[in-house]
Amino acid sequence: GIQVEQSPPDLILQEGANSTLRCNFSDSVNNLQWFHQNPWGQLINLFYIPSGTKQNGRLSATTVATERYSLLYISSSQTTDSGVYFCAVDRWFNDMRFGAGTRLTVKP
Amino acid sequence: NAGVTQTPKFQVLKTGQSMTLQCAQDMNHEYMSWYRQDPGMGLRLIHYSVGAGITDQGEVPNGYNVSRSTTEDFPLRLLSAAPSQTSVYFCASSDRGESYEQYFGPGTRLTVT
Repeated sequence: GIQVEQSPPDLILQEGANSTLRCNFSDSVNNLQWFHQNPWGQLINLFYIPSGTKQNGRLSATTVATERYSLLYISSSQTTDSGVYFCAVDRWFNDMRFGAGTRLTVKP
Repeated sequence: NAGVTQTPKFQVLKTGQSMTLQCAQDMNHEYMSWYRQDPGMGLRLIHYSVGAGITDQGEVPNGYNVSRSTTEDFPLRLLSAAPSQTSVYFCASSDRGESYEQYFGPGTRLTVT
C-alpha cells in the first residue's frame, strides 16, 4: 500500500503564529484529504485536494502531485486549532491510507 | 441531516464475546467504511463498501465482518473479541461524484478485557 509520512510529529505554537504541516506519499494518488481531529476525538474534513491549491479562511493547502507531497498552512493560529492533523491518500477512491498525524498545540 | 451516526459510544467486552457496532448515514452516500484508531496512530481501514450488497477488505480486516444491505447502514461485527481489538472505531461515508470528501461519525470506544 501507499506509505504516508507526516511532519513534524508535534508542533507547539503561540496564538497568532503561522505553521506549515507536510505530508509525503510514496506513490501517485488520485485522492488526498486533510482532516482535523479535535481534542474530543471528532474528525473533520478540511480539504479534498489531490492537486493544486485551496483556501478556506485561515487554512490553505497545496498538493504537488508530481513531487508526491502536500502542505497544509495554518495562519494566525487560534487555540481552537489544537488537535491532530491527518493527511490521507488513495489511488482508486476505496482504500485510504492515513499518516500518523501532526499534533498541534496552540498556547494562549 | 444527522450525518454519520454510530452506536454505542462506549462498550466493554470480555474476550470471546461478540457484538455489532452500528453505523448509519443519511446523506445517500454510496461509499462507507470502517476504521480503527489505536493510540498515537493514524486510522487504519478495516472494511469498506462502494454500494449496497458490495463489501471489500481494507488494510486490517481480520476478526471483523461487515454487510451492506441498504445504502444507509453499514454494521461492523466482531465475531470473537480479543484484547488486540481494543481501539476507537470510526465509520465514514463519502459521495463518489464531484467530491470524495469523507465524513466521519463520532466514534465508538471499545475495550476488550
